[in-house]
Amino acid sequence: GAVVSQHPSWVICKSGTSVKIECRSLDFQATTMFWYRQFPKQSLMLMATSNEGSKATYEQGVEKDKFLINHASLTLSTLTVTSAHPEDSSFYICSGDAGTGSYEQYFGPGTRLTVT
Amino acid sequence: AQSVSQHNHHVILSEAASLELGCNYSYGGTVNLFWYVQYPGQHLQLLLKYFSGDPLVKGIKGFEAEFIKSKFSFNLRKPSVQWSDTAEYFCAVMIKAAGNKLTFGGGTRVLVKP
Repeated sequence: GAVVSQHPSWVICKSGTSVKIECRSLDFQATTMFWYRQFPKQSLMLMATSNEGSKATYEQGVEKDKFLINHASLTLSTLTVTSAHPEDSSFYICSGDAGTGSYEQYFGPGTRLTVT
Repeated sequence: AQSVSQHNHHVILSEAASLELGCNYSYGGTVNLFWYVQYPGQHLQLLLKYFSGDPLVKGIKGFEAEFIKSKFSFNLRKPSVQWSDTAEYFCAVMIKAAGNKLTFGGGTRVLVKP
């Protein structure tokens, strides 16, 4: 299957700072990328959908000014958590859709963010 | 908004036992249905999917799932599990009219004892 990578795999930052997470599709072009958040022992919650070259669409309740998403190319999307707080600590997972009509999303391994 | 329910949060069984994981969704329109698996320390992988046609779909690693439209269900089954099936399993629903967004169930942790 297609491969999606995320960097970093884990990050610790101080409260008030910003952190950027990268999501790359390694062997396919992702016309659409999705960002999810997974709390411990809970399911994945969709945060936003981004299409290459356009603004991301955020799910209800997700602060767009706090979670900045950029999808500058067909192989790279970034999520920046601005002014992070301890409640932003979570597991962030991205996925890519090749747009071939298969509707299959290929998931990255996730990034664990801890805000101290 | 649609929701996806997985009835069992944790399942413990022995090797060679049969496995069935329940999944129900709340949406009356056309949906695509998926089961994903997350092995310890790994990313989510697609087990199988249903879009249309034969409601009994076969996936990888001996898994299958049956779509019962009248029950809004898409249960996952495996006749004989192995220790390597220890993982977390997620049911997901995609509403065709709402683009490619996935709504996930809460997940079921399956532990297979050797």
